[in-house]
Amino acid sequence: KAGVTQTPRYLIKTRGQQVTLSCSPISGHRSVSWYQQTPGQGLQFLFEYFSETQRNKGNFPGRFSGRQFSNSRSEMNVSTLELGDSALYLCASSLGTSGRNNEQFFGPGTRLTVL
Amino acid sequence: DQQVKQNSPSLSVQEGRISILNCDYTNSMFDYFLWYKKYPAEGPTFLISISSIKDKNEDGRFTVFLNKSAKHLSLHIVPSQPGDSAVYFCAQHPLFNAGGTSYGKLTFGQGTILTVHP
Repeated sequence: KAGVTQTPRYLIKTRGQQVTLSCSPISGHRSVSWYQQTPGQGLQFLFEYFSETQRNKGNFPGRFSGRQFSNSRSEMNVSTLELGDSALYLCASSLGTSGRNNEQFFGPGTRLTVL
Repeated sequence: DQQVKQNSPSLSVQEGRISILNCDYTNSMFDYFLWYKKYPAEGPTFLISISSIKDKNEDGRFTVFLNKSAKHLSLHIVPSQPGDSAVYFCAQHPLFNAGGTSYGKLTFGQGTILTVHP
């Protein structure tokens, strides 16, 4: 079974630009969660999508948004980039059901650098 | 709000010995705890999990212990191998979703850098 894939792996942008990151979950997984990892803040939850609906959102400004398609693939978008948005962006997929099936499987991440 | 803390930023162990990684948490009546391992420039890899109705879960060289009264869990790796050198994160997720605030959200500790010396 193929794992979670993320594209692109590396991205360099300048302040004020916008960026779109893509995530393809494991086949059969309907939940996709996004996280931001920075040295100072660790791994922080951005949002989660299940069956094309955002079910949960973390404490990030509205510049961070996402969506999910009918095939469960997900994209996240960051508009008006700031230097502080430089981070490793990780997506994770899971079955999305309550109970023990909460293991999330992560992709390799997209390293975003904002200059 | 849930919090997960890994108070040891780093741990150094000799190959073949036991590695013990610790994690403390707040809140939780019925939670699910997970351990992930992460190499630089890669995504975290799921290792092992335990629900709060259990005290112990074992998978090969990895064993997780849960002490509910102390709100503490630990990951034991026996025997430790140089390939185990990585950052280890513990994470928490509610077993039952209340008000939709927990969907898909893992709360992570800050991580512990494990170095296993040959």
